[in-house]
Amino acid sequence: GAGVSQSPSNKVTEKGKDVELRCDPISGHTALYWYRQSLGQGLEFLIYFQGNSAPDKSGLPSDRFSAERTGGSVSTLTIQRTQQEDSAVYLCASSRNSGKLFFGSGTQLSVL
Amino acid sequence: GQQLNQSPQSMFIQEGEDVSMNCTSSSIFNTWLWYKQDPGEGPVLLIALYKAGELTSNGRLTAQFGITRKDSFLNISASIPSDVGIYFCAGLAAGGTSYGKLTFGQGTILTVHP
Repeated sequence: GAGVSQSPSNKVTEKGKDVELRCDPISGHTALYWYRQSLGQGLEFLIYFQGNSAPDKSGLPSDRFSAERTGGSVSTLTIQRTQQEDSAVYLCASSRNSGKLFFGSGTQLSVL
Repeated sequence: GQQLNQSPQSMFIQEGEDVSMNCTSSSIFNTWLWYKQDPGEGPVLLIALYKAGELTSNGRLTAQFGITRKDSFLNISASIPSDVGIYFCAGLAAGGTSYGKLTFGQGTILTVHP
């Protein structure tokens, strides 16, 4: 597609369950980012992938969070044993490493 | 880590008025970007600035990279109802060799009354 695609657009889960969020970046973009946005807040950096380099995981809030990027394209953000405070919009973005990020529409995660 | 202070937090204006918002940082940035986020969507890039003192326009929007490299402002002239949304500044700290991660401001919520 022409833009960054994220799925699902909405996810409701029960506390303690694992969830997987998917991101399809723009073709040819070498950099991929995950951000989290809580209600009424700014964007919180989670993790950054650039080409074949080791990802920058410095923003992951706990070891329940992990992400991988397969084949330098699609990325999956996994949250294990979800907690209510994990409820937020999870945004993925990609770029050509120019600093100009293109965002997807996000996944709204609700943990009951 | 770096923090950006964005102000104002919210603005309520009449259609046709001009708007100004700004971001300041405690450290030097080598790139400033301004994004707009509509409800239910991800942020969309409005303007990117790469040099201190740079002044760039995009239609009714004008942004400047402060000469101290620690601030940036965004102006919107002759506001219209579709300008409603959340505006975010974002910056990349100086000294890095890659674009790594952006630091975002907390956002300015803009409401435009017809």
